Amino acid sequence: GAVVSQHPSWVICKSGTSVKIECRSLDFQATTMFWYRQFPKQSLMLMATSNEGSKATYEQGVEKDKFLINHASLTLSTLTVTSAHPEDSSFYICSASRALEVYEQYFGPGTRLTVT
Amino acid sequence: AQTVTQSQPEMSVQEAETVTLSCTYDTSESDYYLFWYKQPPSRQMILVIRQEAYKQQNATENRFSVNFQKAAKSFSLKISDSQLGDAAMYFCASGADGLTFGKGTHLIIQP
Repeated sequence: GAVVSQHPSWVICKSGTSVKIECRSLDFQATTMFWYRQFPKQSLMLMATSNEGSKATYEQGVEKDKFLINHASLTLSTLTVTSAHPEDSSFYICSASRALEVYEQYFGPGTRLTVT
Repeated sequence: AQTVTQSQPEMSVQEAETVTLSCTYDTSESDYYLFWYKQPPSRQMILVIRQEAYKQQNATENRFSVNFQKAAKSFSLKISDSQLGDAAMYFCASGADGLTFGKGTHLIIQP
């Protein structure tokens, strides 16, 4: 159990366009979801935390108007990169956790975003 | 603010030997958890071991164990009887919800 999926696994988009990445918890209800970003050969950086039905909390330095996060249901969170630019190219990873077990995070397989 | 430091960018060990990966952290949280994650080339994050900071007893999971020194803010991972499948990037992480990760240690297993 505790499987998290992401879609798409790889997306290429043109500069100036927007792209949406989905994160789904397949067999449990995820009250909290997290979005991380990982540049090549680097560590994971927390971008934002979202609780179902609430606005996401963004980490310092993350542009909330550029990285739109929606967590409308207990099984789905979306990250939309608006007006993408080449510097947004990265590996985006989501994780999900159950109520009362926020420390136990189940990670998705990640989404590679390439902006040309 | 939290910081996690992994001072070993790369480690190499002979198959069947034991290796220890180092990690130090700093946090203002009073209640937090510490983790070691493995990231193979597929980039899927895999939980190796978790330690609750309020517990003094070191966590163990089969061949994996930690040495948690709370006063020193140190959290090292020991891998016993290393196997070829252990080769991966290993990340140390700290947090109570959103995690702060170290820069990782690339573990190489020599056959």
